[in-house]
Formats: sequence, structure tokens, C-alpha cells
Amino acid sequence: EAGVAQSPRYKIIEKRQSVAFWCNPISGHATLYWYQQILGQGPKLLIQFQNNGVVDDSQLPKDRFSAERLKGVDSTLKIQPAKLEDSAVYLCASSLEPVPPTGYTFGSGTRLTVV
Amino acid sequence: GQQLNQSPQSMFIQEGEDVSMNCTSSSIFNTWLWYKQDPGEGPVLLIALYKAGELTSNGRLTAQFGITRKDSFLNISASIPSDVGIYFCAGLSSGGSNYKLTFGKGTLLTVNP
Repeated sequence: EAGVAQSPRYKIIEKRQSVAFWCNPISGHATLYWYQQILGQGPKLLIQFQNNGVVDDSQLPKDRFSAERLKGVDSTLKIQPAKLEDSAVYLCASSLEPVPPTGYTFGSGTRLTVV
Repeated sequence: GQQLNQSPQSMFIQEGEDVSMNCTSSSIFNTWLWYKQDPGEGPVLLIALYKAGELTSNGRLTAQFGITRKDSFLNISASIPSDVGIYFCAGLSSGGSNYKLTFGKGTLLTVNP
């Protein structure tokens, strides 16, 4: 079974620029999550999708962050405009059901550096 | 919001030693999870605990779900160099059909061969 694919692996941008990350979940996984992991901290949930609908985006900074999951498969996370404090690893995860312990697989992440 | 206090922040041990790390919370969780993250990779689930008081093993790993449901610990016995990485505890809470994972800040483990 292929894992969760994320691209790019690394991205360096200047503050106030825009950036987008892409995630392809495991085939058949209905639930998709985006996490932000700042250096030295654990992952923090940004948004959770069930198929193509948003289940939880309470911690997504909606003034600059947006995410979509068209057709309920791939997802993109966008930041516009980026700030220095957005430097982090952005992890995508997917699961068959919205219950993490039954198969919650993370991708390798995209490391964003904002300068 | 919910916070998990994970300790220690880092550990440096000799190969063959046992290591213990723990996690406490001000909130009750229904499930406790322990993940390991290698450099440049996403976290990988090691152990899941579903019942208060539950003690679960996975090879050299042993974890327990505290009776109060506000804490958990992870033990690694006879450490080996490949145990190096960051270990995260995570608590699972639910609200209706929505489930949310809250992660601790991690314990960085270094094993000296």
C-alpha cells in the first residue's frame, strides 16, 4: 500500500509571499488532516476533512491559511501571505475512518522556511 | 485548549539502558497514543491505549493508561541505536462524530552505542 504523498519536501519563501502544499492520501481513506509542526513542538491540527467536507477547522488561521479537498481525494493547503512564524513542517495524514487509532498514517511532511 | 505536558524534553542514554517518559494532562482523554518520529519523516504510531489502567506492550515498548485518564507513560527496555528519535504522546478526545488528537511537545531520545 502506498503511503501518504506530500510535495514539495522543502520550500523556502520570503515573508508576504504565497505558498501551496499538496497531499495525496492513501487510496480509499475518507478522512484527511493537515497538521502544523513547529520546531521543538508536537503536531497541531489545522484542518480535518471527511471526504470533501470540512469537519474541523477551528485552529486554522483563516485570515491567511486556506485548504481544499476537491473531489474528496487530493488536498492543497495554501498560505497567503506568509509570515515568519509560519516556518514549520506541514504534515498531512489520512485514515479510513475519522478515528485515528484505527489507521492514521502521516506523510513525510513539507518543511517550510519563511525568510 | 487542551495541553499535554510531556517529560523529559530530552534524554541521552547508553545502549542497553531502559528509558521511561511520561505525559500528563489537565483534561481527561478516552485514548492515549504514543508516536515516534524519525528525522524528516512523519510520526508513526507505536502503541494505542483505550482503557484506564490498561498496560500494553509492543516488543521492547510498554505503555500504560493512567487510572485518572489524565496521564500515560512509555517505557523502552534494552535500548538500541535505532530507538533514536522523538517520541510524542497524544490524547484523543471526541465531540460527537468529531475526533481530535492533541500532541505533547515530544521527548528527544539519543542512544549512545
